[in-house]
Amino acid sequence: RKEVEQDPGPFNVPEGATVAFNCTYSNSASQSFFWYRQDCRKEPKLLMSVYSSGNEDGRFTAQLNRASQYISLLIRDSKLSDSATYLCVVNDYKLSFGAGTTVTVRA
Amino acid sequence: EADIYQTPRYLVIGTGKKITLECSQTMGHDKMYWYQQDPGMELHLIHYSYGVNSTEKGDLSSESTVSRIRTEHFPLTLESARPSHTSQYLCASWGNRGPTTNEKLFFGSGTQLSVL
Repeated sequence: RKEVEQDPGPFNVPEGATVAFNCTYSNSASQSFFWYRQDCRKEPKLLMSVYSSGNEDGRFTAQLNRASQYISLLIRDSKLSDSATYLCVVNDYKLSFGAGTTVTVRA
Repeated sequence: EADIYQTPRYLVIGTGKKITLECSQTMGHDKMYWYQQDPGMELHLIHYSYGVNSTEKGDLSSESTVSRIRTEHFPLTLESARPSHTSQYLCASWGNRGPTTNEKLFFGSGTQLSVL
C-alpha cells in the first residue's frame, strides 16, 4: 500500500464549476501537509499548506481530517488557468508524494 | 524568487558520457532531495540528504550517485549515461525561507536530460 494515495482523475470540469478531491495518507504520525500544483514539464509549486483547522486562500480551500487520515482540496469558480496536476505532499519524516490529481477546466 | 538553482536546464548528451547535474540552495537547508519524473508520471525519490556528509538512496533504484560536501550544494552524477536515463530531474530542499515562515519543500526548475 502506498503511503499517500490520490484519485488520479482526470477531473474535466467547465469553467465556474467547483471541483474537490482527496488525498489519503497511511502514517498517523504525519506532521504537516501540503498541496502543490504542477504544470506540464514544470517543477511543482506550493499551492497551500494544510492546517488542522482547515484553511482558505481565495478560491481554494484545504481541509485536514486526522481521524480519517485524509486531506482535501476544493476549488471554487474554477478558471481555465486552474488546469494542472495537484500533488499531495505529506511530511511523514521522509516527505511522501501522491501521484497527483489531474484537473482540466474547459471553456 | 527561487533560492534553489539547478543547472543545466536542458542537457542532450550521448550514451556513455559522465554527467553531473548541479543543485544549489541559499537558504541553509539541511534536507535536500533528488526526484526523477517522466512526463505525466509521478515523482520518484532517487536520493536524499539530511545534512553534510549524509546521503541516502530513495525509493527508486538509480544508477546515479550524489554527494553533500557543503550544505548548499547537492550534485547528482551519472557515471555512464544511457537512453533509459532520459527524464526530468528535480532537486528540492526542505526548510523555511525565513525565521517567521513555516517549513516547506522548495523545488528547483529541474534539468531535462536527454541521452541519445
